[in-house]
Amino acid sequence: DIQMTQSPSSLSASVGDRVTITCRASQGISNYLAWFQQKPGKAPKSLIYAASTLQSGVPSKFSGRGSGTDFTLTITSLQPEDFATYYCQQYNSYPYTFGQGTKLEIK
Amino acid sequence: EVQLVESGGGLVHPGGSLILSCSASGFAFSSYVLHWVRQAAGKGLEYLSAISGSGDTTYYYADSVKGRFIISRDNSQNTLYLQMSSLRPEDTAVYYCVKVEWGTLRDSGGPLEDYWGQGTLVTVSS
Repeated sequence: DIQMTQSPSSLSASVGDRVTITCRASQGISNYLAWFQQKPGKAPKSLIYAASTLQSGVPSKFSGRGSGTDFTLTITSLQPEDFATYYCQQYNSYPYTFGQGTKLEIK
Repeated sequence: EVQLVESGGGLVHPGGSLILSCSASGFAFSSYVLHWVRQAAGKGLEYLSAISGSGDTTYYYADSVKGRFIISRDNSQNTLYLQMSSLRPEDTAVYYCVKVEWGTLRDSGGPLEDYWGQGTLVTVSS
């Protein structure tokens, strides 16, 4: 199985800040990586797929980069609604494993 | 509009069984792979299992549920199931059914069309 490791596991930031979350795969997954945002009590919402393609309706403040084993999600100009937990998921091969999540909290 | 509605969750004793259902609408049900994902309270997402559109092929079972959980579907009823047996306290979680064609996305490059149910809570406790 491909292991996905996210860092950091939690992150404290202020409104207006720019943050970057990292996701590393235990083996190469090309660009078969998606990012999700999850708020308490809600199902995850997709933000990015193919490592860098913005999902329809997602604001351009979210951006993704990477290929192979190393990926990043960057969020600029943080707003209160952006404080949530973020997950990466690889879809290179079964099982389509998730990272352990990064909880973005307001400082 | 695609809709996925899970049901069947509840409180069950350790060692007990439960069947979760996911009722689907708004798409050609038998044409799509469906998945189960779970999330324990305060924990991350765990990918559990997937089944082909025809129901002939199951693609994966997480080691944590292998031999205890069975994924199935009834295409005549547009319903996905997860039969859970020998339940353990660590199976306590919200269970989501998910519609997404990851294989097609790999081949085509996009767009991503993913749909999640609202989740159903399973609590395993004495």
